[in-house]
Amino acid sequence: GIQVEQSPPDLILQEGANSTLRCNFSDSVNNLQWFHQNPWGQLINLFYIPSGTKQNGRLSATTVATERYSLLYISSSQTTDSGVYFCAVERMDSSYKLIFGSGTRLLVRP
Amino acid sequence: GAGVSQSPRYKVAKRGQDVALRCDPISGHVSLFWYQQALGQGPEFLTYFQNEAQLDKSGLPSDRFFAERPEGSVSTLKIQRTQQEDSAVYLCASRGGGSYNEQFFGPGTRLTVL
Repeated sequence: GIQVEQSPPDLILQEGANSTLRCNFSDSVNNLQWFHQNPWGQLINLFYIPSGTKQNGRLSATTVATERYSLLYISSSQTTDSGVYFCAVERMDSSYKLIFGSGTRLLVRP
Repeated sequence: GAGVSQSPRYKVAKRGQDVALRCDPISGHVSLFWYQQALGQGPEFLTYFQNEAQLDKSGLPSDRFFAERPEGSVSTLKIQRTQQEDSAVYLCASRGGGSYNEQFFGPGTRLTVL
């Protein structure tokens, strides 16, 4: 099956710093989503981005489908950005289920 | 409601008990998914419904797990004779259909089997 690898596994930042999270996937995909899982366990949709670039406030994401990777940029990080960031993909064969990476655990210190 | 809701939010069961977890998808969403998330890991697919039809149950870990969506809206995930290894967060997601494939998740039910 498709492999989804996220890096780094853990990241500690000082408030105000910038960071880049990476997601590599091993096969062609229909769909790619980035989520933030907050400390209460809720998965919050950040981006639906099977290809191209999107921006939402301090966050932006780029997916290069032909090279099978996606990047999530966090600028001017805040303590509320802490949590786990997941990348999830849906295979090109329309299997509809999302395959998740193991996540990047982010801690932003004040 | 505006989002996916799940109940209960927390469930403690004694080993061997049956449990039922409920999911209310976003109104009008055709597709509904159940995922299981073990501690420290990403969610893993369990099963998928399109309207009332269960099109894929390949992720259900054993025949003790059963899901239904009889009227194409609310879904129930039932676990019979719970075991300690069933302890996890169970997440429900829904998707509108057509060419827009974004999935939206509920808050999850944390199941602890003692």
